[in-house]
Amino acid sequence: SQQGEEDPQALSIQEGENATMNCSYKTSINNLQWYRQNSGRGLVHLILIRSNEREKHSGRLRVTLDTSKKSSSLLITASRAADTASYFCATDDKIIFGKGTRLHILP
Amino acid sequence: GAVVSQHPSWVICKSGTSVKIECRSLDFQATTMFWYRQFPKQSLMLMATSNEGSKATYEQGVEKDKFLINHASLTLSTLTVTSAHPEDSSFYICSARDPARTYEQYFGPGTRLTVT
Repeated sequence: SQQGEEDPQALSIQEGENATMNCSYKTSINNLQWYRQNSGRGLVHLILIRSNEREKHSGRLRVTLDTSKKSSSLLITASRAADTASYFCATDDKIIFGKGTRLHILP
Repeated sequence: GAVVSQHPSWVICKSGTSVKIECRSLDFQATTMFWYRQFPKQSLMLMATSNEGSKATYEQGVEKDKFLINHASLTLSTLTVTSAHPEDSSFYICSARDPARTYEQYFGPGTRLTVT
């Protein structure tokens, strides 16, 4: 089954720094989505990038997609304490999730 | 954005009893809803795909007789955990696809089930 695998599994950075997370997947996709989950809460949809797109921006978020390498990256610029959460990538319509990256922003 | 609600947000039940969790799309009609389970510090695992008016499609390894799914209307899907056991304790999350936005799914806030 299709699955995203996020890297790193955990990341701690200082507030104000940029955070980069990567996602790799196994098969061809139509789109890839990134989600955020705060501890014990539901998921928030962050951004969707289609297979024919290479880069997309939304506020402090920047997503890239390399279909030849079957990988995507999520960059959060000027991180804030509120960005502390787990981040997941998910592929296509059934949305099969990877294990996520736990991001911790240090004050 | 679209809103999906779940009820209850948390529930504690005794081993052997059944628990029903509701998932509602509040401002759109969802022909397809999904049910996920998440154990602590792990990813979401897709349990089943629920299609309005038809039987749910279960992922491999998920017992359909234990996790009963009913999608009786375009705004409501229910997951019933039958004869619950402590190992069923988990965070259950539903999502709904808005047919007007083909690839976007909206997630509910989740239901935390604890079986004692």
